[in-house]
Amino acid sequence: EDQVTQSPEALRLQEGESSSLNCSYTVSGLRGLFWYRQDPGKGPEFLFTLYSAGEEKEKERLKATLTKKESFLHITAPKPEDSATYLCAVGSSNTGKLIFGQGTTLQVKP
Amino acid sequence: SQTIHQWPATLVQPVGSPLSLECTVEGTSNPNLYWYRQAAGRGLQLLFYSVGIGQISSEVPQNLSASRPQDRQFILSSKKLLLSDSGFYLCAWSAAPSGGADTQYFGPGTRLTVL
Repeated sequence: EDQVTQSPEALRLQEGESSSLNCSYTVSGLRGLFWYRQDPGKGPEFLFTLYSAGEEKEKERLKATLTKKESFLHITAPKPEDSATYLCAVGSSNTGKLIFGQGTTLQVKP
Repeated sequence: SQTIHQWPATLVQPVGSPLSLECTVEGTSNPNLYWYRQAAGRGLQLLFYSVGIGQISSEVPQNLSASRPQDRQFILSSKKLLLSDSGFYLCAWSAAPSGGADTQYFGPGTRLTVL
């Protein structure tokens, strides 16, 4: 069964304290792994797509990496404006759909 | 550039009343369109998807329905709302023919409260 598990559920950081969010997955035919950012009351905003193990992508303080079983979203020297829920999803070539994790809610305190 | 709109932004409806939520996409042709529901503290649940006008696939049996009367318009409806229909409804699009397993872009969402 296709499944995505994100950890931790919630993360509190001090401004400047780097950390990582984890996304573990099982999927029958990985078509891509996607990271989204969601602010309260808003729709998810697309961040990255990763397609193969070893691939990395960066955007400002965020860096996403991918292995055969998991992805990490590294946040370097976070700022309060990075506070949001980060969603991970995998695309299944078998079902042709995205399967979402429950998300990690990040709070960065000044 | 592509833009996706949803309205209304918020809606409070009594149990048993009808529902119509609308989603439109600008700046692209023949997109794949999706309706998701996000319950509080939970992940996104795919409700319907469409690969073309009049073509709707349902993922979850429920009292909701979807229609696609135009290429870039997607409508979510109900004849009689239930309390369990409360949630945050999100519309999304992806570029055809990549399909639903490729990058999806989301609208701003509609917060529905059924009382």
